[in-house]
Amino acid sequence: KAGVTQTPRYLIKTRGQQVTLSCSPISGHRSVSWYQQTPGQGLQFLFEYFSETQRNKGNFPGRFSGRQFSNSRSEMNVSTLELGDSALYLCASSLEYGSGANVLTFGAGSRLTVL
Amino acid sequence: AQSVAQPEDQVNVAEGNPLTVKCTYSVSGNPYLFWYVQYPNRGLQFLLKYITGDNLVKGSYGFEAEFNKSQTSFHLKKPSALVSDSALYFCAVRDGAAGFQKLVFGTGTRLLVSP
Repeated sequence: KAGVTQTPRYLIKTRGQQVTLSCSPISGHRSVSWYQQTPGQGLQFLFEYFSETQRNKGNFPGRFSGRQFSNSRSEMNVSTLELGDSALYLCASSLEYGSGANVLTFGAGSRLTVL
Repeated sequence: AQSVAQPEDQVNVAEGNPLTVKCTYSVSGNPYLFWYVQYPNRGLQFLLKYITGDNLVKGSYGFEAEFNKSQTSFHLKKPSALVSDSALYFCAVRDGAAGFQKLVFGTGTRLLVSP
């Protein structure tokens, strides 16, 4: 059974550009969440989706956006990149949504470097 | 608001010795607690969770965790450490009353097991 797939794994952008990251959840999983991991701030919640609807959003500026498609795949976009956006972006999926017991299964991440 | 504290940046232990990685939490509703491990250039791997019931939870790779409600702690333990256990460990909490998937992570503890 394939895990959570994130593409691209590595990318380099310059300030002011935009980037789109993709996440394919485990087959049958319907909820997708995104996290940003940096050495300084640790793991920070970005947003979560279920049934193509954003259900919760973290404390990030509007430059960070995302969406979920009908096949549960998700994308996140960061516009007008800043140096501080350099991070590992992690996607996680879960079978369902709303239960406190749900386990998030993480992908390997997309490492974004902004120059 | 939920929060997690991992008071130790690094834990050093010799192979074959028992290990403990500490975690304390704060949440307004019922706590759902998780431990994840991260190896270099990888995403987070789920180890175990506490939802309700027995205070001692057993998980993957011989790890277990003890939930203590009065001390609001959820320490990760293993009776006999392996060099291959060397990695970054994250404790996370979810507020079960909130209805969201969001996990709040601690800052992580680096475990170094020496041969």
